[in-house]
Amino acid sequence: DTGVSQDPRHKITKRGQNVTFRCDPISEHNRLYWYRQTLGQGPEFLTYFQNEAQLEKSRLLSDRFSAERPKGSFSTLEIQRTEQGDSAMYLCASSIDEGNSPLHFGNGTRLTVT
Amino acid sequence: AQTVTQSQPEMSVQEAETVTLSCTYDTSESNYYLFWYKQPPSRQMILVIRQEAYKQQNATENRFSVNFQKAAKSFSLKISDSQLGDTAMYFCAFSATYKYIFGTGTRLKVLA
Repeated sequence: DTGVSQDPRHKITKRGQNVTFRCDPISEHNRLYWYRQTLGQGPEFLTYFQNEAQLEKSRLLSDRFSAERPKGSFSTLEIQRTEQGDSAMYLCASSIDEGNSPLHFGNGTRLTVT
Repeated sequence: AQTVTQSQPEMSVQEAETVTLSCTYDTSESNYYLFWYKQPPSRQMILVIRQEAYKQQNATENRFSVNFQKAAKSFSLKISDSQLGDTAMYFCAFSATYKYIFGTGTRLKVLA
């Protein structure tokens, strides 16, 4: 169990640029989640994958956001035309596909949009 | 819609003392799970303890225990013999399906 890894740890970008984050879940975990966390807040659900299928996408995810999980392994989260309001910590989590299995979180990617 | 409320933004406790963090939730579901997660400064979030709603017995994990009051929709976390390493943000979370809903967190500082 090498844990959930996220890359990069930090990303600074200028408004209007596109960014892509990567998440590698624990290998036997079917479920993969993306959450967003702003300062002083708890994680907010963005999207959920079961294997390669994206089963739910939050209303928080505007059309500028897209997530993929090809082949049910790693996942990417892309933000197009970034805005200052996108600045946040983006957390990836995974779990086994069983009931309400606990989530295992990565260290997150901190995005700063200038 | 389910909601999770943590009404204590910050708390502090002396080392070796006991502290209780509060959490309330709202749901119409009868079967669900509740969690407490810990997020140390600049480190990843980890599970502290989990409670299944259909189990009346309160969960315990070493120095951590919960007081689960299903009728009151209350789920508090008690940390006994607090240690400096317990300093962190603590998040209460609810899950009835695959989705996990988190509270806004309580920042706990353990004082030497």
